[in-house]
Amino acid sequence: DAKTTQPNSMESNEEEPVHLPCNHSTISGTDYIHWYRQLPSQGPEYVIHGLTSNVNNRMASLAIAEDRKSSTLILHRATLRDAAVYYCILRPLGDDMRFGAGTRLTVKP
Amino acid sequence: DTGVSQNPRHKITKRGQNVTFRCDPISEHNRLYWYRQTLGQGPEFLTYFQNEAQLEKSRLLSDRFSAERPKGSFSTLEIQRTEQGDSAMYLCASSLPGGLAGHTDTQYFGPGTRLTVL
Repeated sequence: DAKTTQPNSMESNEEEPVHLPCNHSTISGTDYIHWYRQLPSQGPEYVIHGLTSNVNNRMASLAIAEDRKSSTLILHRATLRDAAVYYCILRPLGDDMRFGAGTRLTVKP
Repeated sequence: DTGVSQNPRHKITKRGQNVTFRCDPISEHNRLYWYRQTLGQGPEFLTYFQNEAQLEKSRLLSDRFSAERPKGSFSTLEIQRTEQGDSAMYLCASSLPGGLAGHTDTQYFGPGTRLTVL
């Protein structure tokens, strides 16, 4: 299975942008890059996904390196409600998801 | 749409007892997934259904675990002869299959059932 590497934890100040990195050097051509987050005491929730091009939605942006060996989830203005564990997942089309340990994001007021 | 629901939210049982959890997916979602999550770790895939068919099972799903989705709607996960190592959060998710343009499905998770085995 293709693996991802994320920092264990990161801190951010409220209302500042946050860049959450993910390395996936063994990614294959058909692996999608998914991001989910898990708020305390809740199940994970979808954030964004992409294949090759950068993606934007109302929650975040996903920047994918040209060689696809890394990606960055960007939260444009962190709020206290964004404090969560963020998971970067490689997923072949139609295959199940394999979560890693994720990055625990702390947002300071 | 009320989202994915799971019952019970918490279950405490004694070692050796059997437990059963229920998951009600979002209506019209024909894929249903089960995951297990232990403290400090990400969710681990256990199994998934497409309609009533169980299409994949992880090797984590020992013989003591069984999952069903008899009518392609709700699903149950049963653990027989529980062990202390089974203590975890059991998460259910549902999705529609990936649609056009090669997009993979987005999974919607329930709040989980926290199992404590004494």
